Amino acid sequence: DIQMTQSPSSLSASVGDRVTITCRASQSISNYMNWYQQKPGKAPKLLIYGASSLQSGVPSRFSGSGSGTDFTLTISNLQPEDFATYYCQQSYNPPPTFGGGTKVEIK
Amino acid sequence: QVQLQESGPGLVKPSETLSLTCTVSGGSISTYYWSWIRQPPGKGLEWIGYIYYSGSTNYNPSLKSRVTISVDTSKNHVSLKLSSVSAADTAVYYCARHSQLWLLTLDYWGQGTLVTVSS
Repeated sequence: DIQMTQSPSSLSASVGDRVTITCRASQSISNYMNWYQQKPGKAPKLLIYGASSLQSGVPSRFSGSGSGTDFTLTISNLQPEDFATYYCQQSYNPPPTFGGGTKVEIK
Repeated sequence: QVQLQESGPGLVKPSETLSLTCTVSGGSISTYYWSWIRQPPGKGLEWIGYIYYSGSTNYNPSLKSRVTISVDTSKNHVSLKLSSVSAADTAVYYCARHSQLWLLTLDYWGQGTLVTVSS
């Protein structure tokens, strides 16, 4: 299975900040990387697919980059509704595997 | 807009079989892959397996011996059975639809259902 290592596991930030979350795959996955947002008690929501493509309806302050083994999710101008846990997921090979999550908390 | 709704018992006894159903509305099951994913309380996401509407399946090797996923296109249902459960199977269970263009990408999710394994 492809292992996904996400960092940091948590971070504190203020409204208006720029936040960066990284994910590393245990082998090259080309651009087969997805990012999800999960709020407490809710299902994950797809934000980014194909490493950098924004899912329909997702605000443009979310962006993704990377290829191969190293990937980044960036949230520019952090908004109150963005405080949540974020997961990366490789879609290169089954089984699809997730990172451990990054909890974005209010500073 | 497609909607997914998981249903089934919230409490299952150890060694018994967990059975859940995902009802898909607002769209057809046909031509899509469908997954089950679980999340133990306070922990991360684990993919359980997926099924194509035609019935072909792929399971997580770590659960393969205990998992059966099936589809009923006439009812727009996707079902999960997990046998010989233990406390380690306590989790919120989600069903999700796969994107048609990015096949292992999950673009719609159900709200999830908590299943507790306890005597």
